[in-house]
Amino acid sequence: NAGVTQTPKFQVLKTGQSMTLQCAQDMNHNSMYWYRQDPGMGLRLIYYSASEGTTDKGEVPNGYNVSRLNKREFSLRLESAAPSQTSVYFCASSQQTGGHYGYTFGSGTRLTVV
Amino acid sequence: GIQVEQSPPDLILQEGANSTLRCNFSDSVNNLQWFHQNPWGQLINLFYIPSGTKQNGRLSATTVATERYSLLYISSSQTTDSGVYFCAVGVTGGGNKLTFGTGTQLKVEL
Repeated sequence: NAGVTQTPKFQVLKTGQSMTLQCAQDMNHNSMYWYRQDPGMGLRLIYYSASEGTTDKGEVPNGYNVSRLNKREFSLRLESAAPSQTSVYFCASSQQTGGHYGYTFGSGTRLTVV
Repeated sequence: GIQVEQSPPDLILQEGANSTLRCNFSDSVNNLQWFHQNPWGQLINLFYIPSGTKQNGRLSATTVATERYSLLYISSSQTTDSGVYFCAVGVTGGGNKLTFGTGTQLKVEL
């Protein structure tokens, strides 16, 4: 049982380049999330998907797009990377039924934009 | 949006000591979770505790929803308890999304 798998683990981009961060979960969870973590600021929500076929903006969505490809996969795309997007990105999933609302996080992607 | 404040921001303990971490939030919540981020960056869910008290080994948590705070107790601390502890909350109608506090950095020394 792998839980939540994120790829890649590390990435360096040049300003203006694009990339997609991949996330997959094998727990049959309905909801998936993308957060970014910056020093001293905790985690901030970028986008989330409450269920397959839906996506919604979080606190800091500018510069990002997402795709809920199916129930397992939720990708985050940076169309034109900027140095302000240098951060650690975490994907998470949760169930919304049966009282099991706890989040499971992936191991993170450390992104540097130069 | 809802505000989440954690205290203290930093804490240094000797191995074997006990500690209490606090999380205050500014509005009613239907979801509250505690996480531990280890020194390698991995985030581990400790408790889902929108109200009441739960215990898991040396860790326990209490949420008093009517007074808008939660406490995380660590007893007989070990060096492996080091890392950052985050409180995160969600509100009704929020789609189970969480707002995180800025964390308590804990270091346990021998």
